[in-house]
Amino acid sequence: EIVVTQSPGTLSLSPGERATLSCRASQSVSVSYFAWYQQKPGKAPRLLIYGASRRAAGIPDRFSGSGSGTDFTLTISRLEPEDFAVYVCLAEFTFGPGTKVDLK
Amino acid sequence: QVTLRESGPALVKPTQTLTLTCTFSGFSLHTSGMCVSWIRQSPGKALEWLALIDWGDDKNYNSSLQTRLTISKDTSRNQVVLTMTNMDPVDTATYFCARIQSPGYNSGWHYFDFWGQGAQVTVSS
Repeated sequence: EIVVTQSPGTLSLSPGERATLSCRASQSVSVSYFAWYQQKPGKAPRLLIYGASRRAAGIPDRFSGSGSGTDFTLTISRLEPEDFAVYVCLAEFTFGPGTKVDLK
Repeated sequence: QVTLRESGPALVKPTQTLTLTCTFSGFSLHTSGMCVSWIRQSPGKALEWLALIDWGDDKNYNSSLQTRLTISKDTSRNQVVLTMTNMDPVDTATYFCARIQSPGYNSGWHYFDFWGQGAQVTVSS
């Protein structure tokens, strides 16, 4: 069973700054089976990235994903006010614990 | 337009069986490649995948919970039902249903694309 970790647990940034979030799997994951989600309080996750690097429909190009094997990265190039949320990675059927991006 | 909506009891007692229904629209489980999953999120914890049912009625379960879970579908009513037996306070969570397409029918991609709003379930006596 895959174990997924995310770092950091919390990232405190200001609007306009760059956010770099990491996700690590305990074993190699096919990029086809890796995705990123954004979740806001009381809401369902929203698909941002699938296939490790492909933006889902309607997702702004400030969101980008990269990585392969066991290490994956989500980058938000310039934070907008609506981007402050929890970001969760998915490797196969296992979700990471999330990284909270909050306002500095 | 794809939508999913979870329904079920908000409160169950310990040892009882939970039954949740996911009613969806905008796609059909008659369609090859279509699948529906249940996923839960306990307060302050990570999302946890529970079960999946596909268009051919094949089922997959989280190995740590599979003895307690049953997933089924009523294709004509566009519904997927999850039952979880022997509920415990640690099962208190928001339960989501979500659509996923089989990678073999989705250009190889695997992701949950559409989610319901979630059903809050509390287990308490």
